[in-house]
Amino acid sequence: SAVISQKPSRDICQRGTSLTIQCQVDSQVTMMFWYRQQPGQSLTLIATANQGSEATYESGFVIDKFPISRPNLTFSTLTVSNMSPEDSSIYLCSAGVSYNEQFFGPGTRLTVL
Amino acid sequence: GESVGLHLPTLSVQEGDNSIINCAYSNSASDYFIWYKQESGKGPQFIIDIRSNMDKRQGQRVTVLLNKTVKHLSLQIAATQPGDSAVYFCAERGSGGYQKVTFGTGTKLQVIP
Repeated sequence: SAVISQKPSRDICQRGTSLTIQCQVDSQVTMMFWYRQQPGQSLTLIATANQGSEATYESGFVIDKFPISRPNLTFSTLTVSNMSPEDSSIYLCSAGVSYNEQFFGPGTRLTVL
Repeated sequence: GESVGLHLPTLSVQEGDNSIINCAYSNSASDYFIWYKQESGKGPQFIIDIRSNMDKRQGQRVTVLLNKTVKHLSLQIAATQPGDSAVYFCAERGSGGYQKVTFGTGTKLQVIP
Protein backbone atom coordinates (compact mmCIF):
# COMPACT_ATOMS: atom_id res chain seq x y z
CA SER A 1 0.00 0.00 0.00
CA ALA A 2 0.95 3.65 -0.22
CA VAL A 3 0.10 6.66 1.89
CA ILE A 4 -0.71 9.81 -0.04
CA SER A 5 -0.65 13.29 1.44
CA GLN A 6 -1.87 16.48 -0.19
CA LYS A 7 -1.28 20.13 0.59
CA PRO A 8 -3.23 22.30 1.09
CA SER A 9 -6.25 20.43 2.39
CA ARG A 10 -8.48 23.34 1.45
CA ASP A 11 -8.20 26.88 0.17
CA ILE A 12 -10.36 29.82 -0.77
CA CYS A 13 -8.99 31.76 -3.72
CA GLN A 14 -9.84 34.83 -5.70
CA ARG A 15 -10.88 34.71 -9.33
CA GLY A 16 -7.93 35.05 -11.71
CA THR A 17 -5.31 33.69 -9.33
CA SER A 18 -3.57 30.30 -9.45
CA LEU A 19 -3.16 27.57 -6.85
CA THR A 20 -0.60 24.79 -6.78
CA ILE A 21 -1.54 21.55 -5.03
CA GLN A 22 1.18 19.21 -3.87
CA CYS A 23 0.96 15.43 -3.67
CA GLN A 24 3.51 13.35 -1.79
CA VAL A 25 3.67 9.54 -1.75
CA ASP A 26 5.47 7.64 0.98
CA SER A 27 6.93 5.09 -1.44
CA GLN A 28 8.05 4.94 -5.02
CA VAL A 29 5.14 4.32 -7.34
CA THR A 30 4.84 3.85 -11.05
CA MET A 31 1.71 5.87 -11.62
CA MET A 32 0.29 9.12 -10.34
CA PHE A 33 -3.00 10.67 -11.37
CA TRP A 34 -4.99 13.82 -10.73
CA TYR A 35 -8.79 13.78 -10.48
CA ARG A 36 -11.51 16.35 -9.93
CA GLN A 37 -14.63 15.62 -7.92
CA GLN A 38 -17.58 17.93 -7.45
CA PRO A 39 -19.20 17.41 -4.03
CA GLY A 40 -21.66 14.55 -4.22
CA GLN A 41 -20.51 13.48 -7.65
CA SER A 42 -18.13 11.03 -9.25
CA LEU A 43 -14.45 11.44 -10.04
CA THR A 44 -13.21 12.77 -13.36
CA LEU A 45 -9.65 12.07 -14.43
CA ILE A 46 -7.75 15.24 -15.30
CA ALA A 47 -4.41 13.75 -16.29
CA THR A 48 -1.76 11.12 -15.71
CA ALA A 49 1.39 12.60 -14.22
CA ASN A 50 4.44 11.17 -15.99
CA GLN A 51 7.83 11.28 -14.34
CA GLY A 52 10.23 13.54 -16.17
CA SER A 53 7.92 14.25 -19.08
CA GLU A 54 4.71 16.06 -19.92
CA ALA A 55 1.51 14.81 -18.34
CA THR A 56 -1.11 12.98 -20.40
CA TYR A 57 -4.32 15.02 -20.32
CA GLU A 58 -7.86 13.77 -20.73
CA SER A 59 -10.36 15.32 -23.10
CA GLY A 60 -11.51 18.66 -21.78
CA PHE A 61 -8.38 19.39 -19.78
CA VAL A 62 -5.38 21.30 -21.11
CA ILE A 63 -1.87 21.94 -19.92
CA ASP A 64 -2.24 25.72 -19.90
CA LYS A 65 -5.09 25.50 -17.41
CA PHE A 66 -3.81 22.55 -15.35
CA PRO A 67 -0.01 22.37 -15.55
CA ILE A 68 1.35 19.29 -13.83
CA SER A 69 4.84 18.43 -12.69
CA ARG A 70 6.29 15.13 -11.57
CA PRO A 71 10.00 15.51 -10.92
CA ASN A 72 10.41 12.08 -9.28
CA LEU A 73 8.55 8.88 -8.38
CA THR A 74 7.08 10.20 -5.13
CA PHE A 75 5.99 13.79 -5.80
CA SER A 76 3.68 15.66 -8.13
CA THR A 77 2.02 19.06 -8.32
CA LEU A 78 -1.14 20.26 -10.03
CA THR A 79 -1.66 23.95 -10.66
CA VAL A 80 -5.12 25.35 -11.28
CA SER A 81 -4.44 28.49 -13.32
CA ASN A 82 -6.43 31.65 -13.81
CA MET A 83 -9.18 30.32 -11.61
CA SER A 84 -12.89 30.99 -11.97
CA PRO A 85 -15.78 29.93 -9.72
CA GLU A 86 -16.35 26.96 -12.05
CA ASP A 87 -13.02 25.54 -10.85
CA SER A 88 -14.40 25.15 -7.33
CA SER A 89 -14.12 21.45 -6.65
CA ILE A 90 -12.22 18.78 -4.78
CA TYR A 91 -8.93 17.85 -6.41
CA LEU A 92 -7.60 14.38 -5.66
CA CYS A 93 -4.21 12.87 -6.24
CA SER A 94 -3.84 9.11 -6.59
CA ALA A 95 -0.87 6.81 -6.97
CA GLY A 96 -0.10 3.15 -7.34
CA VAL A 97 1.78 0.44 -9.15
CA SER A 98 -1.28 -0.64 -11.12
CA TYR A 99 -4.19 1.15 -12.70
CA ASN A 100 -6.69 -0.89 -10.69
CA GLU A 101 -5.50 -0.40 -7.15
CA GLN A 102 -4.93 3.32 -6.82
CA PHE A 103 -4.31 4.90 -3.44
CA PHE A 104 -5.91 8.29 -3.03
CA GLY A 105 -4.95 11.32 -1.06
CA PRO A 106 -7.51 13.07 1.15
CA GLY A 107 -8.17 15.70 -1.49
CA THR A 108 -7.87 19.47 -1.71
CA ARG A 109 -11.14 21.37 -1.42
CA LEU A 110 -10.92 24.49 -3.53
CA THR A 111 -13.38 27.37 -3.45
CA VAL A 112 -13.00 30.18 -5.95
CA LEU A 113 -14.79 33.43 -5.21
CA GLY B 1 -21.19 29.62 -1.71
CA GLU B 2 -20.40 25.97 -2.29
CA SER B 3 -22.31 24.36 -5.11
CA VAL B 4 -24.72 21.57 -4.27
CA GLY B 5 -24.01 18.32 -6.06
CA LEU B 6 -26.46 15.88 -7.50
CA HIS B 7 -28.23 13.62 -5.05
CA LEU B 8 -26.64 10.19 -5.07
CA PRO B 9 -28.80 7.06 -5.08
CA THR B 10 -29.03 5.90 -1.49
CA LEU B 11 -29.29 2.40 -0.11
CA SER B 12 -30.36 2.04 3.52
CA VAL B 13 -29.56 -1.26 5.20
CA GLN B 14 -30.04 -2.54 8.71
CA GLU B 15 -26.86 -3.40 10.55
CA GLY B 16 -26.13 -7.09 10.22
CA ASP B 17 -28.03 -7.48 6.95
CA ASN B 18 -26.38 -8.04 3.60
CA SER B 19 -26.01 -5.11 1.19
CA ILE B 20 -26.11 -5.27 -2.58
CA ILE B 21 -24.89 -2.29 -4.55
CA ASN B 22 -25.49 -2.34 -8.27
CA CYS B 23 -23.74 -0.70 -11.19
CA ALA B 24 -24.34 -0.63 -14.93
CA TYR B 25 -21.33 -0.10 -17.14
CA SER B 26 -21.11 1.00 -20.73
CA ASN B 27 -17.88 -0.21 -22.30
CA SER B 28 -17.98 -3.88 -23.24
CA ALA B 29 -14.24 -3.70 -24.02
CA SER B 30 -13.26 -2.87 -20.43
CA ASP B 31 -10.67 -5.27 -19.06
CA TYR B 32 -11.22 -4.87 -15.33
CA PHE B 33 -14.01 -3.67 -13.09
CA ILE B 34 -13.25 -2.15 -9.74
CA TRP B 35 -15.10 -1.07 -6.60
CA TYR B 36 -14.00 1.84 -4.46
CA LYS B 37 -15.35 3.07 -1.13
CA GLN B 38 -15.30 6.74 -0.22
CA GLU B 39 -15.99 7.87 3.32
CA SER B 40 -17.00 11.45 3.99
CA GLY B 41 -14.08 13.86 3.70
CA LYS B 42 -11.66 11.21 2.45
CA GLY B 43 -10.32 9.97 -0.84
CA PRO B 44 -11.65 6.75 -2.37
CA GLN B 45 -10.29 3.44 -1.10
CA PHE B 46 -9.84 0.33 -3.27
CA ILE B 47 -12.06 -2.57 -2.23
CA ILE B 48 -11.88 -5.27 -4.87
CA ASP B 49 -11.53 -5.77 -8.60
CA ILE B 50 -12.60 -8.42 -11.08
CA ARG B 51 -11.20 -9.25 -14.47
CA SER B 52 -13.59 -9.30 -17.39
CA ASN B 53 -13.12 -13.05 -17.95
CA MET B 54 -14.49 -13.83 -14.49
CA ASP B 55 -18.04 -13.65 -13.19
CA LYS B 56 -17.44 -13.75 -9.46
CA ARG B 57 -14.72 -12.83 -7.02
CA GLN B 58 -14.76 -12.90 -3.24
CA GLY B 59 -12.86 -10.88 -0.73
CA GLN B 60 -13.20 -10.37 2.97
CA ARG B 61 -16.94 -9.88 3.55
CA VAL B 62 -17.36 -8.66 -0.02
CA THR B 63 -18.27 -10.40 -3.27
CA VAL B 64 -18.30 -8.84 -6.70
CA LEU B 65 -20.47 -10.31 -9.44
CA LEU B 66 -20.06 -9.50 -13.10
CA ASN B 67 -22.72 -10.12 -15.75
CA LYS B 68 -21.26 -9.16 -19.10
CA THR B 69 -24.42 -10.11 -20.97
CA VAL B 70 -26.32 -7.20 -19.46
CA LYS B 71 -23.25 -5.11 -18.55
CA HIS B 72 -24.01 -5.25 -14.86
CA LEU B 73 -21.74 -5.29 -11.85
CA SER B 74 -22.69 -5.71 -8.22
CA LEU B 75 -20.96 -5.52 -4.87
CA GLN B 76 -22.32 -7.61 -2.05
CA ILE B 77 -21.33 -6.80 1.50
CA ALA B 78 -22.06 -9.46 4.09
CA ALA B 79 -23.15 -8.60 7.62
CA THR B 80 -23.11 -4.86 6.98
CA GLN B 81 -21.54 -2.78 9.75
CA PRO B 82 -21.80 0.93 10.60
CA GLY B 83 -18.24 1.36 9.29
CA ASP B 84 -19.49 0.34 5.86
CA SER B 85 -21.46 3.58 5.58
CA ALA B 86 -19.90 5.43 2.65
CA VAL B 87 -20.31 6.18 -1.03
CA TYR B 88 -19.41 3.25 -3.27
CA PHE B 89 -18.14 3.77 -6.81
CA CYS B 90 -17.82 1.21 -9.52
CA ALA B 91 -15.11 1.86 -12.06
CA GLU B 92 -13.94 0.25 -15.27
CA ARG B 93 -10.46 -0.02 -16.68
CA GLY B 94 -9.85 0.15 -20.37
CA SER B 95 -7.92 -2.48 -22.25
CA GLY B 96 -5.02 -2.05 -24.58
CA GLY B 97 -2.25 0.48 -24.30
CA TYR B 98 -3.97 3.17 -22.23
CA GLN B 99 -5.67 1.52 -19.32
CA LYS B 100 -7.19 4.50 -17.57
CA VAL B 101 -9.85 3.98 -14.96
CA THR B 102 -13.26 5.60 -15.46
CA PHE B 103 -15.44 6.02 -12.40
CA GLY B 104 -19.19 5.55 -12.51
CA THR B 105 -21.81 7.34 -10.48
CA GLY B 106 -21.75 6.44 -6.82
CA THR B 107 -24.23 4.86 -4.45
CA LYS B 108 -24.50 6.05 -0.89
CA LEU B 109 -24.82 3.23 1.64
CA GLN B 110 -26.43 4.13 4.94
CA VAL B 111 -26.25 1.54 7.68
CA ILE B 112 -28.99 1.78 10.25
CA PRO B 113 -27.79 0.67 13.71
